[in-house]
Amino acid sequence: AQSVSQHNHHVILSEAASLELGCNYSYGGTVNLFWYVQYPGQHLQLLLKYFSGDPLVKGIKGFEAEFIKSKFSFNLRKPSVQWSDTAEYFCAVPYSGAGSYQLTFGKGTKLSVIP
Amino acid sequence: NAGVTQTPKFQVLKTGQSMTLQCAQDMNHEYMSWYRQDPGMGLRLIHYSVGAGITDQGEVPNGYNVSRSTTEDFPLRLLSAAPSQTSVYFCASSYRGDRALWGGEQYFGPGTRLTVT
Repeated sequence: AQSVSQHNHHVILSEAASLELGCNYSYGGTVNLFWYVQYPGQHLQLLLKYFSGDPLVKGIKGFEAEFIKSKFSFNLRKPSVQWSDTAEYFCAVPYSGAGSYQLTFGKGTKLSVIP
Repeated sequence: NAGVTQTPKFQVLKTGQSMTLQCAQDMNHEYMSWYRQDPGMGLRLIHYSVGAGITDQGEVPNGYNVSRSTTEDFPLRLLSAAPSQTSVYFCASSYRGDRALWGGEQYFGPGTRLTVT
């Protein structure tokens, strides 16, 4: 089965700082990659996804991620964070043992943005 | 559309008790899943279903049962609750469609916070 690892458990930034959250995936053939976000007290929402084509993917709320095949990475970036970006961020890949419509998630990175 | 709904929102059980977590979706999605979320562990797949009458195990199925008698409902049963099952449980659904065109989006419910004492 495919897996993902997220490097940072907790990141603390000031508003307007730039953000980069790391995600590495295990090799498993065709690559589908996702970032989900969970705002405090809410359920998970899809932030962005990569299936094929342009390796630079743009998502909602100014987030983007770059798929780098040679590094098995799919890092999430945002040029200038806001307090409202405080949330937990999860990288995910299809759970290949489950017919690939379910997901395997990384352990998550908590982002705290200080006003 | 209500999306994915889960009941109850909170539950406290004693060790050995059984209960059923309810999940329903009104989007006519074929695929439904149960995940548990634990601090520092991310979300882990418990069981999933690819359609009415079809279920299978995920990463952490022990201690849980599921069934899928209708497209809309996918209940999760705890047979004999243990403290290790203290967690937040999320139900999710996804449309099937063409695998090559799958958007990848899972629609999550609001979660059930379960404490087993």
